[in-house]
Amino acid sequence: GAGVSQTPSNKVTEKGKYVELRCDPISGHTALYWYRQSLGQGPEFLIYFQGTGAADDSGLPNDRFFAVRPEGSVSTLKIQRTERGDSAVYLCASSSRDLVDTQYFGPGTRLTVL
Amino acid sequence: GIQVEQSPPDLILQEGANSTLRCNFSDSVNNLQWFHQNPWGQLINLFYIPSGTKQNGRLSATTVATERYSLLYISSSQTTDSGVYFCAVVTYNTDKLIFGTGTRLQVFP
Repeated sequence: GAGVSQTPSNKVTEKGKYVELRCDPISGHTALYWYRQSLGQGPEFLIYFQGTGAADDSGLPNDRFFAVRPEGSVSTLKIQRTERGDSAVYLCASSSRDLVDTQYFGPGTRLTVL
Repeated sequence: GIQVEQSPPDLILQEGANSTLRCNFSDSVNNLQWFHQNPWGQLINLFYIPSGTKQNGRLSATTVATERYSLLYISSSQTTDSGVYFCAVVTYNTDKLIFGTGTRLQVFP
């Protein structure tokens, strides 16, 4: 079956602009996660959704970052007033029920803020 | 917070060699996964192994939960094995998957 998909694969924007990154999880997976990976580092947790609600958003770096999952499937990560330090690969993952299950990762969105 | 340390940080092998990668973690875990991040950045699931031993082709993994470590064995390495290997854990006290420091593997023909 289809895996986790993310769009766009690449996004280049200017400092101060607003961006949206989309994640389509594996069909039927109730848990969805966003991570950020900077060059040379491992992925770092941002937010975990269980269904439509954010079960843990403690990894969001500041209030410019926001994520939604209104129907419990597709999720959008929104970044306001982008800064150059936001440049990274943003990864999405899903698992069938919760954190104890295997997480499957999408290909990521590479965000570059000029 | 939990510490997840991987060793060695870098590994260079000739094709056909065997290797062992190690992951040490500082707390009890209820989820442990091994991933291979290929040169294009895709994270590929290798094993879900919070305890016990599993094998998949040339790869196998063992987690000794009571001693807080996991090992990934790669036998008869191939150039396509190159990339970064991460272990990642969820503990009973966290709500997130925490990634280790990674091992960068380069396999030369």
